[in-house]
Amino acid sequence: DIVMTQSPDSLAVSLGERATVNCKSSQSVLYSSNNKNYLGWYQQKPGQPPRLLIYWASTRESGVPDRFSGSGSGTDFTLTISSLQAEDVAVYYCQQYYTTPYTFGQGTEVEIK
Amino acid sequence: QVQLVESGGGLVKPGGSLRLSCAASGFTFSDYYMNWFRQAPGKGLEWVSYISTTSNTIYYADSVKGRFTISRDNAKDSLFLQMDSLRAEDTAVYYCARAMTARAAFDVWGQGTMVTVSS
Repeated sequence: DIVMTQSPDSLAVSLGERATVNCKSSQSVLYSSNNKNYLGWYQQKPGQPPRLLIYWASTRESGVPDRFSGSGSGTDFTLTISSLQAEDVAVYYCQQYYTTPYTFGQGTEVEIK
Repeated sequence: QVQLVESGGGLVKPGGSLRLSCAASGFTFSDYYMNWFRQAPGKGLEWVSYISTTSNTIYYADSVKGRFTISRDNAKDSLFLQMDSLRAEDTAVYYCARAMTARAAFDVWGQGTMVTVSS
């Protein structure tokens, strides 16, 4: 199974400041034939289902504010919130869909400092 | 609007069975690959099962293999999860989610249905 490891487990950021969440996979999720990274980022608020933010590691889902961005390739990925807003308080998960079992990182809780 | 609605959760004793349903609306259900996920109370997300558009390809997590059965009815825009031999560790909110292709991110999720396995 591909193990996804996120860091940190939690972080507190001031409103308007940058928040960065890291995700590392135990093996590459880059498919060489199409040069795509099979990596998504999700946001989950309490009592709600996950919401897709980023797919193919760096493509923003429709309707997602442009302060959210994804980067990285192979085994190392980053989710960046460029200017944290109050509504961004949530748990963020990375997930690989390169192969089953599809696996998630343990989650990173983002809160306001 | 595009929507997935789960139902069928509840309280069941260890060893019991439950059948979850996921009703799709607002999109062409038969075009999408469907999955079940779960989230134990206070824990992270876990993928449970996958079914292709025509049901010819199915995958399960090792933790549920041999006990859970995924199926779909494209004529009724519905996805199902038959859960047998339930254990306490199956207690979780169960979500259905769709993907555009066989290997794609999951762009629409249901609100979830709670399954509690307890004596």
